[in-house]
Amino acid sequence: KQEVTQIPAALSVPEGENLVLNCSFTDSAIYNLQWFRQDPGKGLTSLLLIQSSQREQTSGRLNASLDKSSGRSTLYIAASQPGDSATYLCAASTSGTYKYIFGTGTRLKVLA
Amino acid sequence: ETGVTQTPRHLVMGMTNKKSLKCEQHLGHNAMYWYKQSAKKPLELMFVYSLEERVENNSVPSRFSPECPNSSHLFLHLHTLQPEDSALYLCASSQAGTRGETQYFGPGTRLLVL
Repeated sequence: KQEVTQIPAALSVPEGENLVLNCSFTDSAIYNLQWFRQDPGKGLTSLLLIQSSQREQTSGRLNASLDKSSGRSTLYIAASQPGDSATYLCAASTSGTYKYIFGTGTRLKVLA
Repeated sequence: ETGVTQTPRHLVMGMTNKKSLKCEQHLGHNAMYWYKQSAKKPLELMFVYSLEERVENNSVPSRFSPECPNSSHLFLHLHTLQPEDSALYLCASSQAGTRGETQYFGPGTRLLVL
């Protein structure tokens, strides 16, 4: 059974720092690994999706990597800004299912 | 966010009430999902409608009943709910069968059961 864990649960950093959010999963037979952002009281916004055959994806200041052998994905945020403050969720899907298993998220606060 | 809409945004109901949540997607997708998000817990998939097939999480109580009349609309009918059902209910859609399938979420309905 796939389990997804995110550490840390909360993170507070000064503006301008580069930071790394961690996601680990127990079943390496994943199909897709997706990172989402959620603002308070809002829905989820997809940031990056990494297919199982890929090692990383980049979008602007965001870079997500996937290492299936170690069961880990990281989301790298460069030059963080107060507008990056949100909860970041990772989710893993297993081949042949519609089901994404979500982590509990990392709540990020970037201080001005 | 405007690709998937949800109504109402907030709902307060008693345990004997019957209400429905509505979701509509304007993205031409062929799959729709209901998720439950409770405090301190991971998002929980409740139901999936994909290519006219329904898939459900067997742990979801029968007091939650989904309905998908067409590929653009999804409902969640609620009856005799319990206080522990209070949560944010999120709808999502995707184009099932495509590699690199991304789910697009609505803003959610914040439900409070008294």
